[in-house]
Amino acid sequence: ETGVTQTPRHLVMGMTNKKSLKCEQHLGHNAMYWYKQSAKKPLELMFVYNFKEQTENNSVPSRFSPECPNSSHLFLHLHTLQPEDSALYLCASSQVTASSYNEQFFGPGTRLTVL
Amino acid sequence: GENVEQHPSTLSVQEGDSAVIKCTYSDSASNYFPWYKQELGKGPQLIIDIRSNVGEKKDQRIAVTLNKTAKHFSLHITETQPEDSAVYFCAANIGGGADGLTFGKGTHLIIQP
Repeated sequence: ETGVTQTPRHLVMGMTNKKSLKCEQHLGHNAMYWYKQSAKKPLELMFVYNFKEQTENNSVPSRFSPECPNSSHLFLHLHTLQPEDSALYLCASSQVTASSYNEQFFGPGTRLTVL
Repeated sequence: GENVEQHPSTLSVQEGDSAVIKCTYSDSASNYFPWYKQELGKGPQLIIDIRSNVGEKKDQRIAVTLNKTAKHFSLHITETQPEDSAVYFCAANIGGGADGLTFGKGTHLIIQP
């Protein structure tokens, strides 16, 4: 596996279900991100993890719960979602150093449909 | 916070012609400006970026220009080919550190044969 991988690629869930999205980066990076991509809207940052510590929560509802057990893996736990949460969820990673710029590399995304 | 505006939302050009996509940003502290290409069913792919200490950067048929005074930057694609058809996103952030990117709404580029 190379780059950033995400599983599953497609997910259909009911509003009462609990599911998790998984992201893994094989680039040796130390920061990971969740973005949401909805139709006709810009990509929206949801969460940032730097060295496994959450450094940003962009006013995301509590029905989305991130987890970063190590610098290579990132999860997004979902529960009691709403139909408007249907979107493409993208994971990205970057290597953060004192002198670097934030080149972020994205996975293919999980297409989520909430019924 | 940062706000990025991108135009046009759709751009149709004849194969072989040039395409230009323009973005403006609001936060004068921003100093890193990447461009992403997203094909159907795939995640965004970084194609070129520019940092605030340069005004122009070129990579084969793709170039990006930056005007920090006016707070706008542009993507130029020359000699367009069918495989250039995709959605292109501009983004901005303040550079160093684990900061999220602020994206424009995207431009759907269509290359007409």
